Amino acid sequence: EGQLLESGGGLVQPGGSLRLSCAASGFTFRNFAMSWVRQAPGKGLEWVSTVSPSGRGYYADSVKGRFTISRDNAKNSMSVQMNSLRAEDTAEYFCAKVLEQWLVQGTFDIWGQGTMVTVAS
Amino acid sequence: QLVLTQSPSASASLGASVKLTCTLSSGHTTYAIAWHQKQPEKGPRFLMKVNSDGSHNKGDGVPDRFSGSSSGAERYLTISSLQSEDEADYYCQTWSTDVSWVFGGGTKLTVV
Repeated sequence: EGQLLESGGGLVQPGGSLRLSCAASGFTFRNFAMSWVRQAPGKGLEWVSTVSPSGRGYYADSVKGRFTISRDNAKNSMSVQMNSLRAEDTAEYFCAKVLEQWLVQGTFDIWGQGTMVTVAS
Repeated sequence: QLVLTQSPSASASLGASVKLTCTLSSGHTTYAIAWHQKQPEKGPRFLMKVNSDGSHNKGDGVPDRFSGSSSGAERYLTISSLQSEDEADYYCQTWSTDVSWVFGGGTKLTVV
């Protein structure tokens, strides 16, 4: 059974940077698109970014130009570099696996436990 | 614009059934959606994908008490024989051909 484990969350000042990572196990990582989804305190789920199996990144408008997603298929890991952070980026960040191989669409069938990012001075 | 609409809250009694609704925006009424369960202090859990014809594919280990269906622009999640551990937020999700994903606002289910 596949598992995902996020790391890298913490407290950062507005305008600062943070890098989140997601370690995957239990499935053929290189064959699947991977995503980041966040949940601000008291709010719903929001899609943030997705990386295709080949490494192409896709972004929500709210983070475009500030976040960069990447993956290392040799290490079964995915990351997101978050720059120019704002208070509104404060959220629990979850990594998630796209259900079907090779597709950059479709639902997410495996989720991590999340890592908290707090942007405050 | 692709939008999913959910009622903010629902409640049902222990042992009863509840049907949650997710409505697709106009022009997107044939889209498939997925249902996810979110409990406090836990990551979301994939429950099932529901197609426009009502067929659904459940995630690993999802109990038979959970089922999906469809009618027009509406996609449903029905939970029967409600248990206390079913109390959670339920989100529907869909995806666009321009490589983006959308979540509904979520329904907070209370089991009384």
